[in-house]
Amino acid sequence: KAGVTQTPRYLIKTRGQQVTLSCSPISGHRSVSWYQQTPGQGLQFLFEYFSETQRNKGNFPGRFSGRQFSNSRSEMNVSTLELGDSALYLCASSSGGATNEQFFGPGTRLTVL
Amino acid sequence: GESVGLHLPTLSVQEGDNSIINCAYSNSASDYFIWYKQESGKGPQFIIDIRSNMDKRQGQRVTVLLNKTVKHLSLQIAATQPGDSAVYFCAENMSGTYKYIFGTGTRLKVLA
Repeated sequence: KAGVTQTPRYLIKTRGQQVTLSCSPISGHRSVSWYQQTPGQGLQFLFEYFSETQRNKGNFPGRFSGRQFSNSRSEMNVSTLELGDSALYLCASSSGGATNEQFFGPGTRLTVL
Repeated sequence: GESVGLHLPTLSVQEGDNSIINCAYSNSASDYFIWYKQESGKGPQFIIDIRSNMDKRQGQRVTVLLNKTVKHLSLQIAATQPGDSAVYFCAENMSGTYKYIFGTGTRLKVLA
């Protein structure tokens, strides 16, 4: 069974631009979560989607948004990029129950110049 | 590779020794916990999990201990190997929140 895939793996943008990251969960998994990882803040929860519905979100500004499609694939978008948005963005999938093993993808490394 | 954390606490152990990595979790209502291993340039890899109705769970070379009284989780790795060198995170979840809170991580260095 293929693992969680994320595209692109690396991305360089400039301040003010917007970016869209993509995540394909493990086949059969309906829940997708997004995390931001930085050296200073560690792993921080962005949001979680299940069956195209956002069930929870973290404490990030509205510039961070996401969505999930009917095939469970998910995208996250960051608008008006800031230097501080430079991070590793990780996607994790699970079957979607209240507590389930989460499996992570390799991440997308975003650099904002 | 990518730097997971520049100022993480570091545990250095001799190859073949046992390692114990500790984690203090934040929410007394959390009822599900996972330990992850993250190697440079990769996403976190699931190691072992435990639910709050247990205080110990064993896997292959790994054991997780849960002490709900003091909100403490530990990961024990037996016969530590060079391939165990990585950053280890604990994550906690409260049923129905669909959200995991991660600890700051511990860097494990295995000395040959």
